[in-house]
Amino acid sequence: AQSVTQPDIHITVSEGASLELRCNYSYGATPYLFWYVQSPGQGLQLLLKYFSGDTLVQGIKGFEAEFKRSQSSFNLRKPSVHWSDAAEYFCAVGAGPEYGNKLVFGAGTILRVKS
Amino acid sequence: NAGVTQTPKFRILKIGQSMTLQCTQDMNHNYMYWYRQDPGMGLKLIYYSVGAGITDKGEVPNGYNVSRSTTEDFPLRLELAAPSQTSVYFCASSNTGGGYTFGSGTRLTVV
Repeated sequence: AQSVTQPDIHITVSEGASLELRCNYSYGATPYLFWYVQSPGQGLQLLLKYFSGDTLVQGIKGFEAEFKRSQSSFNLRKPSVHWSDAAEYFCAVGAGPEYGNKLVFGAGTILRVKS
Repeated sequence: NAGVTQTPKFRILKIGQSMTLQCTQDMNHNYMYWYRQDPGMGLKLIYYSVGAGITDKGEVPNGYNVSRSTTEDFPLRLELAAPSQTSVYFCASSNTGGGYTFGSGTRLTVV
């Protein structure tokens, strides 16, 4: 069974500073990996996804993530954070369409941006 | 293009009452899902469907039921509501291998 760990419950960064949100997954085969963002009172929006190929993937809003198989990690990064990036971020892992395309989500990391 | 539409947005139920949470998508996605979100717990899968007429249990199905009579609709039924079902419920849909498109959620309180 898949599982996801997001070690940081809260992270606070200054506007303009770089950001890295950590995600570790457990899955025996090649995983489908995702990052989602949730603003307060809203649904989740897909930031980026990894299925195969280049291990550095680009997403929307200037985010990127790197898949590292040896570390079972899929960390999310952004070079310069904007105040509008304050939200909750979820990492998710799936086994693919042959398993119903189901996703297992981490508990989330709340990002606060200070000016 | 509406995406995934959930109704209602808010609801207060009394213990023992029943209700149906509605979910409709207009993207012709085969896969649909119901998750519940509780603070600090992430999202937990309740039920999912890989196509019309096909449904299966997720991680936390007890107290819930679903049906999928059409590609577009995937209602979630709560029978005999309990305080433990107080949560925010999200419906989502996807195509093969793709990321999910989420609805805006239903905030349910059982008192």
